[in-house]
Amino acid sequence: EVQLVESGGDLVQPGGSLRLSCAASGFTFSTSWMTWVRQAPGKGLEWVANINKDGSEKYYVDSVKGRFTISRDNAKNSVSLQMNSLRGEDTAVYYCWGYWGHWGQGTLVTVSS
Amino acid sequence: QAVVTQEPSLTVSPGGTVTLTCGSSTGAVTSGHYPYWFQQKPGQGPRTLIYETNNKHSWTPARFSGSLLGGKAALTLSGAQPDDEAEYYCLLFYNGDEVFGGGTKLTVL
Repeated sequence: EVQLVESGGDLVQPGGSLRLSCAASGFTFSTSWMTWVRQAPGKGLEWVANINKDGSEKYYVDSVKGRFTISRDNAKNSVSLQMNSLRGEDTAVYYCWGYWGHWGQGTLVTVSS
Repeated sequence: QAVVTQEPSLTVSPGGTVTLTCGSSTGAVTSGHYPYWFQQKPGQGPRTLIYETNNKHSWTPARFSGSLLGGKAALTLSGAQPDDEAEYYCLLFYNGDEVFGGGTKLTVL
């Protein structure tokens, strides 16, 4: 069974940092692009970043470029999102997804003083 | 980055058929945009119904189908059920970038 489990969400002050992780199981992780998506309260889905199979290509939505970094560890079957200089508008549930549309349950990031 | 457009809301009668569409600001949607369709119900995470235009997962009800129609990606629901009332999102790929549509709120009434 394919499973994606996010962790790392928390309450953080504006300007702070947070690292999200997504642990994958049930499939050959190194064969799948992986993506982070977020959903602000009451809003739609927003793509945040993705990374190719070996980590050599990374893409970001304009609003997080220079602040967020996506990475993966194929030996540990995990993908991470390092989030720096966090803003109130980054408040959202963050999901990882991959392998033709399998999703995690999400982790809540709240940016507030 | 491109803009992906969906109908904000649609209504279908129980047992009826409805088609949701997904357009691109860059022109016609093709299989090269690898269209995905997701269903999300209140308080739940997204669930993938269709991947890469017309492929279904094992959990995708047979009444849902994906296609390309008139330059857009399309999700057709045939034989709507009350349980299909939800928000539906499409996703298109643009050379690495991914862009979601704004979502279609589907009411079964």
